[in-house]
Amino acid sequence: NAGVTQTPKFQVLKTGQSMTLQCAQDMNHEYMSWYRQDPGMGLRLIHYSVGAGITDQGEVPNGYNVSRSTTEDFPLRLLSAAPSQTSVYFCASSRGGTGTDTQYFGPGTRLTVL
Amino acid sequence: AQSVSQHNHHVILSEAASLELGCNYSYGGTVNLFWYVQYPGQHLQLLLKYFSGDPLVKGIKGFEAEFIKSKFSFNLRKPSVQWSDTAEYFCAVILISGGYNKLIFGAGTRLAVHP
Repeated sequence: NAGVTQTPKFQVLKTGQSMTLQCAQDMNHEYMSWYRQDPGMGLRLIHYSVGAGITDQGEVPNGYNVSRSTTEDFPLRLLSAAPSQTSVYFCASSRGGTGTDTQYFGPGTRLTVL
Repeated sequence: AQSVSQHNHHVILSEAASLELGCNYSYGGTVNLFWYVQYPGQHLQLLLKYFSGDPLVKGIKGFEAEFIKSKFSFNLRKPSVQWSDTAEYFCAVILISGGYNKLIFGAGTRLAVHP
């Protein structure tokens, strides 16, 4: 199993550009999440999905869109990038969302917005 | 609002020194507790977790953590650190409230171990 994969590893954008961060998992997990990691703030939940076709907002959803058309994929879209979105983005998946299921994290995407 | 506090942002130790990283959470209900580790250039990996039972849990690589419910704490310990333990450590809490239970992270502690 590849686990959770993310592309790209690094990305530089100009303010106002759009892009999609890709996330895929091959563990048949129902639950997938996107986090951003900023220095001194830990990881904060952006959006999550409890299954194909179902998504919900996390702690910091503004400026980001998600969709979940398949179990495997959970892309994160930035419609109009802003410097405040410079961060490291992690995708995670888990079998369930009951609290006893371990979350598996991808390698991260380091995004810089100029 | 519920939060997770990690007391030390940066810790510097020499090899063989003992380690204790503090973690406190603010939530009066049922919680599940985790410590994750992020080695330089790598993604987060689960170090250990506590759901119920013995409040002293052992994880990988000689780490352990103790859940003290009365203090809302879940401190991470290792008796003797190695250079390879240099990493960032995150405490995380899931608040059990029904439905999808969200993972809340602390700000992290950067540990540097010098040979």
